[in-house]
Amino acid sequence: QQPVQSPQAVILREGEDAVINCSSSKALYSVHWYRQKHGEAPIFLMILLKGGEQKGHDKISASFNEKKQQSSLYLTASQLSYSGTYFCGTEPTGGAGSYQLTFGKGTKLSVIP
Amino acid sequence: DAGITQSPRHKVTETGTPVTLRCHQTENHRYMYWYRQDPGHGLRLIHYSYGVKDTDKGEVSDGYSVSRSKTEDFLLTLESATSSQTSVYFCAISLAGTDTQYFGPGTRLTVL
Repeated sequence: QQPVQSPQAVILREGEDAVINCSSSKALYSVHWYRQKHGEAPIFLMILLKGGEQKGHDKISASFNEKKQQSSLYLTASQLSYSGTYFCGTEPTGGAGSYQLTFGKGTKLSVIP
Repeated sequence: DAGITQSPRHKVTETGTPVTLRCHQTENHRYMYWYRQDPGHGLRLIHYSYGVKDTDKGEVSDGYSVSRSKTEDFLLTLESATSSQTSVYFCAISLAGTDTQYFGPGTRLTVL
């Protein structure tokens, strides 16, 4: 079952913050975040594992709430280069090690000057 | 860059014709995947492979078949293309020991 992402789309001005959420109905082993720019392949951002720490680099970070089967991606002080569609990919606990991800439908982020 | 190439990058074909898309990787990755991406649906898994001649179905496998006779090549075949198979197709690999996936550049397929 596909994880549910929210919001579907968001428009930000440069410097503003955003949060993108990913929820699953299944118990999760890992959550992966990707960003895709128009006409390009998805690019891996980060992975969060069950029992792991919150991850982040630069001004993009993420958290994983194992009890709620939710992950959130935080973009702070957004830059024009952050524009794109963000996808979460989830691996259920029972499927750990299967190397199969189920992706959400994506959140389109637009950063304007 | 995980050394993944896809060919062709663009293809236009007619309903009923067979089509084969190729994914090639140069770094001996064991796991390979085929996804399709459509507006409003995100990425959906078609088939995947966990080794030479070892493949399995994903959530949208109907109308598609795959083959992997060499580690470096994973082929996706549409036996008789239909307009509903118009999509962008991405190949991906998993690095050894992780389930993080890296994607190829994609193939845009149009079935008229």
